[in-house]
Amino acid sequence: RKEVEQDPGPFNVPEGATVAFNCTYSNSASQSFFWYRQDCRKEPKLLMSVYSSGNEDGRFTAQLNRASQYISLLIRDSKLSDSATYLCVVNKGSNFGNEKLTFGTGTRLTIIP
Amino acid sequence: DAGVIQSPRHEVTEMGQEVTLRCKPISGHDYLFWYRQTMMRGLELLIYFNNNVPIDDSGMPEDRFSAKMPNASFSTLKIQPSEPRDSAVYFCASRRINEKLFFGSGTQLSVL
Repeated sequence: RKEVEQDPGPFNVPEGATVAFNCTYSNSASQSFFWYRQDCRKEPKLLMSVYSSGNEDGRFTAQLNRASQYISLLIRDSKLSDSATYLCVVNKGSNFGNEKLTFGTGTRLTIIP
Repeated sequence: DAGVIQSPRHEVTEMGQEVTLRCKPISGHDYLFWYRQTMMRGLELLIYFNNNVPIDDSGMPEDRFSAKMPNASFSTLKIQPSEPRDSAVYFCASRRINEKLFFGSGTQLSVL
């Protein structure tokens, strides 16, 4: 079983819609969680951290369910510029700690005009 | 700040040749990471350094791969001899302790 699993998609969603991705992780000792965004032929960039209580950044909401070992990302009022691959990332260490990050293979999202 | 700088951006080589990828981390960052990305396996950590010292190289696929960090501003990843299955995008990333990770633009490697 992979350490971090994501539905690869693609998700093709009309502009303005709400879309949600889930990600599951296998190591119950994992302590910190992130969503990264990767545009085509570009490097990954941090989108947001995921906190136990859930957190929001504008149109983006991230949630963590430790009991079920999954993380979710919700995008509301989707824009064309949201088209990208979204990577779920898990770290055994504390937030941005010394442990290495484990990346999922990503979920590809295309927003359709 | 210039960000993490990788070279070359693209490398096309023939099987059996030596390949050297280069990385300049962001000044002041004490951690440097080498990742490989393929469609099938996603982003995989190959090796990381802390203060120029290799800490974990368990992700290095085999002895054909080696990495060095002779000083705080430069690292190399070498593949010798290269094989077609090494074709991938290789990313270098750096960060300060307890801060977020910054990636370079990557090197697209094609081994024919």
